[in-house]
Amino acid sequence: DTAVSQTPKYLVTQMGNDKSIKCEQNLGHDTMYWYKQDSKKFLKIMFSYNNKELIINETVPNRFSPKSPDKAHLNLHINSLELGDSAVYFCASSPSHSGNTIYFGEGSWLTVV
Amino acid sequence: ILNVEQSPQSLHVQEGDSTNFTCSFPSSNFYALHWYRWETAKSPEALFVMTLNGDEKKKGRISATLNTKEGYSYLYIKGSQPEDSATYLCAPNTNAGKSTFGDGTTLTVKP
Repeated sequence: DTAVSQTPKYLVTQMGNDKSIKCEQNLGHDTMYWYKQDSKKFLKIMFSYNNKELIINETVPNRFSPKSPDKAHLNLHINSLELGDSAVYFCASSPSHSGNTIYFGEGSWLTVV
Repeated sequence: ILNVEQSPQSLHVQEGDSTNFTCSFPSSNFYALHWYRWETAKSPEALFVMTLNGDEKKKGRISATLNTKEGYSYLYIKGSQPEDSATYLCAPNTNAGKSTFGDGTTLTVKP
């Protein structure tokens, strides 16, 4: 069983569309994250939720809205997609937000055309 | 966001060479440091977690050390193999729980 799973793995969409990436973890962790692999291939945190509550919200356009219906799920919704949103988005989880090992999903490759 | 610096940014070595790289971080409010291995087109995977000053961890040919007083960690690879080619990320945590990833050192091992 995949511990952190995210769907879709690949997504090609047109500018201006709204899309969502779903993430689920079956590890029983309290904390979930969204990371973006930027154009320089660096890993940058976008959001972190602990027990469904937002605890980290880095400088991300408000077109990006995370939603956590329960602590096992953290979905990422992106409105009005722009070319610059093309990236790999990684979902991740950890037992808590205090210094634990982070477990990553396989990534979602988003291409905006 | 912590100021985390990893050096060098990239490294090319021959198979069999030993190599090492550095992660520097603020020493104040230190809680833990993680090293991750990130292969191309895959997701980062945890290698080590270290918490105490002077900690040393080892997994096969890869080892790491930690100096929390001066704020650095070294990752060593002995006898590099092509399959060691990856980006190695460090992620220190503060006692406030925030974890910040460095930009990584990308290692390429040539056969």
